[in-house]
Amino acid sequence: KAGVTQTPRYLIKTRGQQVTLSCSPISGHRSVSWYQQTPGQGLQFLFEYFSETQRNKGNFPGRFSGRQFSNSRSEMNVSTLELGDSALYLCASSSLQGAFGNTIYFGEGSWLTVV
Amino acid sequence: DQQVKQNSPSLSVQEGRISILNCDYTNSMFDYFLWYKKYPAEGPTFLISISSIKDKNEDGRFTVFLNKSAKHLSLHIVPSQPGDSAVYFCAASGGSQGNLIFGKGTKLSVKP
Repeated sequence: KAGVTQTPRYLIKTRGQQVTLSCSPISGHRSVSWYQQTPGQGLQFLFEYFSETQRNKGNFPGRFSGRQFSNSRSEMNVSTLELGDSALYLCASSSLQGAFGNTIYFGEGSWLTVV
Repeated sequence: DQQVKQNSPSLSVQEGRISILNCDYTNSMFDYFLWYKKYPAEGPTFLISISSIKDKNEDGRFTVFLNKSAKHLSLHIVPSQPGDSAVYFCAASGGSQGNLIFGKGTKLSVKP
């Protein structure tokens, strides 16, 4: 069974641009979550989508947004990029909504560098 | 305010010995805990989990212990192997947290 797939793996953007990252969850998984990893802050939760609806949101500005499609694939978008947005963006999928008693599986991540 | 803390940023262990990674949490509503291993430039890989109704869970060389009264959990790796060298993250969920809360990780180095 294929794991969580994220594209692109690496990208470089300029301040002020916007970026879209894509995630395909494990087959049969309906929940997709996004996390940001930076050296100083560790792994921080961005948002979770389940059945095409955002179910939970972390403490990030409105420049960070996402969506989920009917096939459970998800995209996240960051507008008006700032240097501090440089990070590893991780997508995770699970069969159930939320993290309660639920094992969440991660993709390999998309490395974003903002210059 | 960090709800999940891994106070040791790094740990070095000799091959064949036991590695013990520790994690503390502050939210008494957390009821599910997981450990992930992460190599550079890769996503975290799920290792083992434990529910708050248990105090121990084993999977091969990996054992997680949970002490609810102390709000402490630990991951034991026996015997440690060089391939275990990675960053280990502790994560928790429960209460009002619908998502995983991660510690900042402990970098384990297993020396041959």
